[in-house]
Amino acid sequence: SQKIEQNSEALNIQEGKTATLTCNYTNYSPAYLQWYRQDPGRGPVFLLLIRENEKEKRKERLKVTFDTTLKQSLFHITASQPADSATYLCALGEAGNNRKLIWGLGTSLAVNP
Amino acid sequence: DAGVIQSPRHEVTEMGQEVTLRCKPISGHDYLFWYRQTMMRGLELLIYFNNNVPIDDSGMPEDRFSAKMPNASFSTLKIQPSEPRDSAVYFCASSFTGTVTFFGQGTRLTVV
Repeated sequence: SQKIEQNSEALNIQEGKTATLTCNYTNYSPAYLQWYRQDPGRGPVFLLLIRENEKEKRKERLKVTFDTTLKQSLFHITASQPADSATYLCALGEAGNNRKLIWGLGTSLAVNP
Repeated sequence: DAGVIQSPRHEVTEMGQEVTLRCKPISGHDYLFWYRQTMMRGLELLIYFNNNVPIDDSGMPEDRFSAKMPNASFSTLKIQPSEPRDSAVYFCASSFTGTVTFFGQGTRLTVV
């Protein structure tokens, strides 16, 4: 069956450390993968998109990797801050004209001061 | 631009009543998506439009749900009759290319 999975347990880290979140998928052929941030009571906000032929993408303190052999994407936040505390969602887009995104359930991140 | 605008933000209704959720997408975006989010199932795509035309409605749970997009700046999601299991947060989202997606604040629907 097709699945997209993120760490179900909340991640607690100390301010200044690097947070690493995981997104694994099975039985999909993704054209790209996206990461979003969601704060309580708000809609998801786009952070980064990485295509299937890209290994790594960076934006300021954020880094995303994409390994189509392992069927996994890693999302890193370096020098984490309490303001980074939120739920992070990965979303997979398949090849073709279909614009349907398949979403993980999200991982809750808490950065402690 | 003010972003994707949804109304109402909160809706409490009795079982059996009709519920209408409204959405104004970002100007210039040609894709519009309706999602439902619950703790158990996460974000589920209900339906999406391209240039006001419904493209994929395979996520619409059943005939009680319907969505329309009469023009590029307005869409509705209607539930009739509503049931307690419809309680969730409903998001409208829009996109220019169909990939990077901008979400509204959501409508929290409670059916009692």
